Amino acid sequence: SQTIHQWPATLVQPVGSPLSLECTVEGTSNPNLYWYRQAAGRGLQLLFYSVGIGQISSEVPQNLSASRPQDRQFILSSKKLLLSDSGFYLCAWSVSATSGRNEQYFGPGTRLTVT
Amino acid sequence: AQKVTQAQTEISVVEKEDVTLDCVYETRDTTYYLFWYKQPPSGELVFLIRRNSFDEQNEISGRYSWNFQKSTSSFNFTITASQVVDSAVYFCALSTRTGTYKYIFGTGTRLKVLA
Repeated sequence: SQTIHQWPATLVQPVGSPLSLECTVEGTSNPNLYWYRQAAGRGLQLLFYSVGIGQISSEVPQNLSASRPQDRQFILSSKKLLLSDSGFYLCAWSVSATSGRNEQYFGPGTRLTVT
Repeated sequence: AQKVTQAQTEISVVEKEDVTLDCVYETRDTTYYLFWYKQPPSGELVFLIRRNSFDEQNEISGRYSWNFQKSTSSFNFTITASQVVDSAVYFCALSTRTGTYKYIFGTGTRLKVLA
């Protein structure tokens, strides 16, 4: 069966510090991968998605970036965090397909607080 | 334009009551997919159901049932005999070809089931 991991689970970082969140998927090959952010008490915002190694699409201009160095690894980064980067970050995967019918499966999330 | 509306921000019910969560969507695509997710207090989104636009058959899974009506662009979710463990935020999502199959989430409905 497939499993998705995210770490760390929680993170408190000062403004201006760098960020690296990691997501890995097990039990599947060539998945589509997604990064979402959920601000406190609000809906989900798609940040990045990837259909293959090195292929990243950005949805929202911001000071975040994403990379996919390996097939089942997805990394969210920032060089300098802003207060507005605080939130709950969720990684998700779906079967690679263009039909759109494939549901996304979410990881446990990382709760980031920028102080 | 693609849009998902969950007009109910928060619903409170007493245990064993039935409750319906509303989801109204907008799209001009003839082929699209609808999803429901549950987000318990732990934060992880749990996939509940996927429905494609060509299948209007309602579905029942235990205490959960879904009513898909293309005529009213609605995909409502009913929990029968609610339990405290059903307390969560529930999200409806839409995926369309025009939107390159990225999810468009509603803003979510927070369900509180009181003992």
